[in-house]
Amino acid sequence: SAVISQKPSRDICQRGTSLTIQCQVDSQVTMMFWYRQQPGQSLTLIATANQGSEATYESGFVIDKFPISRPNLTFSTLTVSNMSPEDSSIYLCSVPGTSGRDTGELFFGEGSRLTVL
Amino acid sequence: QKEVEQDPGPLSVPEGAIVSLNCTYSNSAFQYFMWYRQYSRKGPELLMYTYSSGNKEDGRFTAQVDKSSKYISLFIRDSQPSDSATYLCAMSDTGGFKTIFGAGTRLFVKA
Repeated sequence: SAVISQKPSRDICQRGTSLTIQCQVDSQVTMMFWYRQQPGQSLTLIATANQGSEATYESGFVIDKFPISRPNLTFSTLTVSNMSPEDSSIYLCSVPGTSGRDTGELFFGEGSRLTVL
Repeated sequence: QKEVEQDPGPLSVPEGAIVSLNCTYSNSAFQYFMWYRQYSRKGPELLMYTYSSGNKEDGRFTAQVDKSSKYISLFIRDSQPSDSATYLCAMSDTGGFKTIFGAGTRLFVKA
């Protein structure tokens, strides 16, 4: 299993500002995922962060709003830009399971709880 | 229609009860089925994983998949207060890293 550390664990931000969330994994991984978890809603994939290439964004998410960096195989950042109260959510970093199968198994960090006032 | 439907609960049961958690889905291409457990203020952790149809048992937990009905279940026997958490069903298609999650069911087990 992978150990994933996220920072910050929580933050309260003002409307119009930006926040960068960091994700550190204890082993090298090719793919890292960023999810959003809003109250009462499903975990939603924001984007896949690939080392050495641009992140791949899911429908409804754009790079200008959620820029992602992936400087190496153990680290990624997600920035939530120009925040509004609708961005209040838990943001989760995730990596694939290490079973060697492309099965959709995922390991998650503990999440970053963001509140926008 | 959502790809994965899951009753959000909350579900409250007494200690020792058998708990049944369920999800339905619409995409017949899903082959891999998972249950995640998420404690308050923590990230989800993989609890059970099943490939295709059938049952899988792990201690007090049993996962069932009925692909003909597009229906999956998680049973918890002899439920304990420590089982109180949100349970998320999840599934993906063949070779996919695109995992689709249910909204999660909040479970409370009362001592």
